[in-house]
Amino acid sequence: GQQVMQIPQYQHVQEGEDFTTYCNSSTTLSNIQWYKQRPGGHPVFLIQLVKSGEVKKQKRLTFQFGEAKKNSSLHITATQTTDVGTYFCAAIYGGATNKLIFGTGTLLAVQP
Amino acid sequence: NAGVMQNPRHLVRRRGQEARLRCSPMKGHSHVYWYRQLPEEGLKFMVYLQKENIIDESGMPKERFSAEFPKEGPSILRIQQVVRGDSAAYFCASSQQGPNSPLHFGNGTRLTVT
Repeated sequence: GQQVMQIPQYQHVQEGEDFTTYCNSSTTLSNIQWYKQRPGGHPVFLIQLVKSGEVKKQKRLTFQFGEAKKNSSLHITATQTTDVGTYFCAAIYGGATNKLIFGTGTLLAVQP
Repeated sequence: NAGVMQNPRHLVRRRGQEARLRCSPMKGHSHVYWYRQLPEEGLKFMVYLQKENIIDESGMPKERFSAEFPKEGPSILRIQQVVRGDSAAYFCASSQQGPNSPLHFGNGTRLTVT
């Protein structure tokens, strides 16, 4: 079945350290979206990547879409306690599939 | 501009009862999705609906679960004869132009089956 794997599952960092989560698919993706879910909250859309090799930045967050459109990454520079939460990638696979499949998520814990 | 509204926020049901979860999409959004999330786990796709139509229900169990999005009123996720394994957070999301556009999530309904 369609799967979007994320690594790591969990990351614990000291405030100020960098953080990266990776999203991998076995098949080509038409686009990829990233969401953040705070503990006890609901997922919130962060960004969408569409083009091969695309890089987008939002303040301390950098999002990349791989050249082959099979992987993506989210990098946070100098983490802050407000970055705590689970980061999900989500993708619609090429073809007629009509659903957004979420990755397994990476839980980020930031120690002050 | 109200976001996606889900109610109730918390729902407790005894085994064998029915659970009805409601979702009003954002204004102007005609695409609705339901996802299920178990504690410490990811979001599992259940069903994708547009007004009066089920587009994809491949993630929904064949028995006891049903969803609708009528012409008027909210989308409803209905679980009949609930069992303890149905306990989870159920999130509804809506989008303007299908799953290629950003999904806006509601606060979710936390279902507890006792």
